[in-house]
Amino acid sequence: AQTVTQSQPEMSVQEAETVTLSCTYDTSESDYYLFWYKQPPSRQMILVIRQEAYKQQNATENRFSVNFQKAAKSFSLKISDSQLGDAAMYFCAYRSALQSSGSARQLTFGSGTQLTVLP
Amino acid sequence: AAGVIQSPRHLIKEKRETATLKCYPIPRHDTVYWYQQGPGQDPQFLISFYEKMQSDKGSIPDRFSAQQFSDYHSELNMSSLELGDSALYFCASSLKPAGANVLTFGAGSRLTVL
Repeated sequence: AQTVTQSQPEMSVQEAETVTLSCTYDTSESDYYLFWYKQPPSRQMILVIRQEAYKQQNATENRFSVNFQKAAKSFSLKISDSQLGDAAMYFCAYRSALQSSGSARQLTFGSGTQLTVLP
Repeated sequence: AAGVIQSPRHLIKEKRETATLKCYPIPRHDTVYWYQQGPGQDPQFLISFYEKMQSDKGSIPDRFSAQQFSDYHSELNMSSLELGDSALYFCASSLKPAGANVLTFGAGSRLTVL
């Protein structure tokens, strides 16, 4: 079974600064997908960024980028130019890419990191 | 763009009562997932459906059941409710059950058991 670990329950960053959220995972699979989801106070789960394990290039979405280290099983999220609206709980998640017949590949979440953005 | 619709958004029940949550996936999405998120917890996978058949089963109690209908919407039925069932219940949908297809989440249904 896969596990996802987020070792930082809380982080804070000054507005306009950069912050990095850590995530490690454990799997015996070679093909999988990694995600960062954001959950603001509204509790809506919003996809931030996605990384395919077979891609060496780190994914980037505007101010959000990842540092994917497959050998180390590490998947950190970097938020640049932090904004007040970035304040939320951030979940790292894993999804297998195995194509088992009839089996829906669900997400396995980490425990989350609560990010506070200071004005 | 259409999103995942969950109803009701809020539900209050007494212990031992029954509750039903509904989920309407994004049009053309054939896979539905149910998650339970307790206070201060990460979402825990309950159950999933692909093409109206149960696919994977997670930590879903025996008191809970779910199904996916011909129009791909899904319902989660919870009986003999307990205080510990109070949580935010998320439904997510995707096009096909695997690969890079992203799970899109609904806004959640908050169940409070008194």
